Amino acid sequence: GDSVTQTEGLVTLTEGLPVMLNCTYQSTYSPFLFWYVQHLNEAPKLLLKSFTDNKRPEHQGFHATLHKSSSSFHLQKSSAQLSDSALYYCALSNNRIFFGDGTQLVVKP
Amino acid sequence: ETAVFQTPNYHVTQVGNEVSFNCKQTLGHDTMYWYKQDSKKLLKIMFSYNNKQLIVNETVPRRFSPQSSDKAHLNLRIKSVEPEDSAVYLCASSYRGDYAEQFFGPGTRLTVL
Repeated sequence: GDSVTQTEGLVTLTEGLPVMLNCTYQSTYSPFLFWYVQHLNEAPKLLLKSFTDNKRPEHQGFHATLHKSSSSFHLQKSSAQLSDSALYYCALSNNRIFFGDGTQLVVKP
Repeated sequence: ETAVFQTPNYHVTQVGNEVSFNCKQTLGHDTMYWYKQDSKKLLKIMFSYNNKQLIVNETVPRRFSPQSSDKAHLNLRIKSVEPEDSAVYLCASSYRGDYAEQFFGPGTRLTVL
């Protein structure tokens, strides 16, 4: 069946270091992939989503590349900021929507 | 202001009671959702609904039921709450289609004593 896997439950790193949050998926059909971010005491909101034309989506310094060959949509940022501390969900949509379990990112000074 | 609104923000109740949560969106979307976010922050879709189709997650207990008066409103009723129902319930909306972004409401935190 369709699913999304986020292998890291918690990622802790120091401000200024690069960020990479893993997301792999299984899908019956060619899906759309999303990253949602949820800051403390806030609602989840869209961070970025995959394009249909293989362009790399970017937002707030974050980017992700959809690799169909490896079924991955990892989230990356070159330099973490304290304000990036949040819960990140990877999601897949192909007629139904599936969320991963989320990765808590903690950025320390 | 266009957004997704939920009431109440918090609700504390006892086992066996009935509760109802409200959700309204002013974004003009045609599809609405209910999610359960548990204490481990796992986000599980419970229902998705537009004016033509209700999709129910088969793992949702039958005491949960969605109620919609129009495409801008989707309420959630829990007939007889259980302790494991304690969670944050998030409402969301989107346009129909795989590429559509979901907009979430602020959530209703339910505590069952």
